[in-house]
Amino acid sequence: GNSVTQMEGPVTLSEEAFLTINCTYTATGYPSLFWYVQYPGEGLQLLLKATKADDKGSNKGFEATYRKETTSFHLEKGSVQVSDSAVYFCALIPDPTGGGNKLTFGTGTQLKVEL
Amino acid sequence: DTEVTQTPKHLVMGMTNKKSLKCEQHMGHRAMYWYKQKAKKPPELMFVYSYEKLSINESVPSRFSPECPNSSLLNLHLHALQPEDSALYLCASSQEAPDFNSGNTIYFGEGSWLTVV
Repeated sequence: GNSVTQMEGPVTLSEEAFLTINCTYTATGYPSLFWYVQYPGEGLQLLLKATKADDKGSNKGFEATYRKETTSFHLEKGSVQVSDSAVYFCALIPDPTGGGNKLTFGTGTQLKVEL
Repeated sequence: DTEVTQTPKHLVMGMTNKKSLKCEQHMGHRAMYWYKQKAKKPPELMFVYSYEKLSINESVPSRFSPECPNSSLLNLHLHALQPEDSALYLCASSQEAPDFNSGNTIYFGEGSWLTVV
């Protein structure tokens, strides 16, 4: 079946530190990959996406590259801010030819950024 | 504009009440979804409507009843809920359902916080 594995949180960083949140997936074919962010008390917002191998998604200083060879989509940001404190979900939608038809989430990683 | 609007934002209901959650999108999307999210967990899919027809029901109890009056609106009717149904209910939409195109992005609303007392 399709699955997404994320690093356990919480991740606590100082402001301006470098962020990496690891995400690996299991799926046949070429799934589309997503990062969603959920700020406290809010719904999910799409942060970035990539739909084919070697694509790089980027938004608000965050970026992630679709690595087919390592089945990974790690989220990175060069300098985090307190306002980036949130829960980050890695997710995939399977390739229709590969079976499955649902958005599959990882367990989420909570990020806390301190001054 | 990638907005999915949900009302109400907060709802408290008794176990014998009947209430509804409402969702609206004006992006011309043909797929709409209901998800349930408990604290510190990822969202769980409940229902998918594709072209106004129910295409997926994830074995959700009948006390939750979805309705899609038209391509822009999605309702979730609630009746005889239990305290364990208290959660954040998220509506979402996408251009098409994932069956057709895995590249479609699913956009979420802000959610409705439901408390069952």
